[in-house]
Amino acid sequence: DGGITQSPKYLFRKEGQNVTLSCEQNLNHDAMYWYRQDPGQGLRLIYYSQIVNDFQKGDIAEGYSVSREKKESFPLTVTSAQKNPTAFYLCASSTTGTGYGYTFGSGTRLTVV
Amino acid sequence: AQSVTQLGSHVSVSEGALVLLRCNYSSSVPPYLFWYVQYPNQGLQLLLKYTSAATLVKGINGFEAEFKKSETSFHLTKPSAHMSDAAEYFCAVSSFNTNAGKSTFGDGTTLTVKP
Repeated sequence: DGGITQSPKYLFRKEGQNVTLSCEQNLNHDAMYWYRQDPGQGLRLIYYSQIVNDFQKGDIAEGYSVSREKKESFPLTVTSAQKNPTAFYLCASSTTGTGYGYTFGSGTRLTVV
Repeated sequence: AQSVTQLGSHVSVSEGALVLLRCNYSSSVPPYLFWYVQYPNQGLQLLLKYTSAATLVKGINGFEAEFKKSETSFHLTKPSAHMSDAAEYFCAVSSFNTNAGKSTFGDGTTLTVKP
């Protein structure tokens, strides 16, 4: 079955450490997105990509980086510059164009220790 | 510009009662509208969507929503709540050819179902 796989499900980061969250999809979707979810704040867009080798900043890109070298993959790196990284991170994908909605992965919960 | 406002961050109903979750949108062009459901520690799942066809949209798990242009609303309803409906619900809007087709999400409404 097609879908989006995020890994790991739980991740612990030490202060000053970079970590990378994986997102892979086999839906043949062109567009992919990364969201951050904090209690009571809904979903905030970090980065998005509509085509391979191209991506744009979302509303809260500072302290994060991404790459889109393959259509299927859109990894997110949380750098040491992100001062408050503890959150639930969601990856999503969609068919190009509007009206289709997003397919979401099951999320990665990142905790700073 | 596009935006979504979900009225009420928490809604509590008794099992078997009507569920009504409110969503109002703002969009400078005709919108596409979505409702998603999220269970604890999981991703979001698409419940239903409005894409300018019928104004009354039926989705999964017995939910439906009605697009009312005059009220800029897209409220989610279910005639009879079930314990398994307890979750967080998100309304979202996107618009053709604006904002790169990205969806804008509301802050979510947590639905509690009492036995």
